[in-house]
Amino acid sequence: EAGVAQSPRYKIIEKRQSVAFWCNPISGHATLYWYQQILGQGPKLLIQFQNNGVVDDSQLPKDRFSAERLKGVDSTLKIQPAKLEDSAVYLCASSSPETGNTEAFFGQGTRLTVV
Amino acid sequence: DAKTTQPNSMESNEEEPVHLPCNHSTISGTDYIHWYRQLPSQGPEYVIHGLTSNVNNRMASLAIAEDRKSSTLILHRATLRDAAVYYCIRMYNNNDMRFGAGTRLTVKP
Repeated sequence: EAGVAQSPRYKIIEKRQSVAFWCNPISGHATLYWYQQILGQGPKLLIQFQNNGVVDDSQLPKDRFSAERLKGVDSTLKIQPAKLEDSAVYLCASSSPETGNTEAFFGQGTRLTVV
Repeated sequence: DAKTTQPNSMESNEEEPVHLPCNHSTISGTDYIHWYRQLPSQGPEYVIHGLTSNVNNRMASLAIAEDRKSSTLILHRATLRDAAVYYCIRMYNNNDMRFGAGTRLTVKP
């Protein structure tokens, strides 16, 4: 079974530039999460999708962050414009509501450095 | 707001049992307790979950207090590969998977 795929693995941008991350969840997983993990901290939930609908985006900084999952499969997370404090690892995870979302599978993450 | 409290760090000796505590005193009846761990430079991985009863799987055991206000993750024989940050998560209706700071487990040879 293929895992959660994320790209790119690393990205370096200057502040005020824009950046996008891509996530391909495990086939058949309707639930998809995006997390931001700043060095030394636990992952922070940014947004949760079920299929192409948003379940929770209460911690997403909507003035600069956006996410979409148009066909209920792949998802993209965008930051525009980036700030220095956005430097972090961005993790995507997926799970199946059919099994009660009891086990989420995480990708390797995208390490973003804003300079 | 992770809604759980864990010690920042713990140490264990290799091949000894490890008991990782978690406090979730404001838990409600439909909240599940999930545990994940994160090895260095990797994404978190699922360890175990439970609602009321104690649970066992190939990785660990989960002991949930009778009042459900606390739980303990038990690694029966710690190995060096178990060194990781362990997260206890309270999930309402199996949604809203929010991580706290976790417990950093160090395993000494």
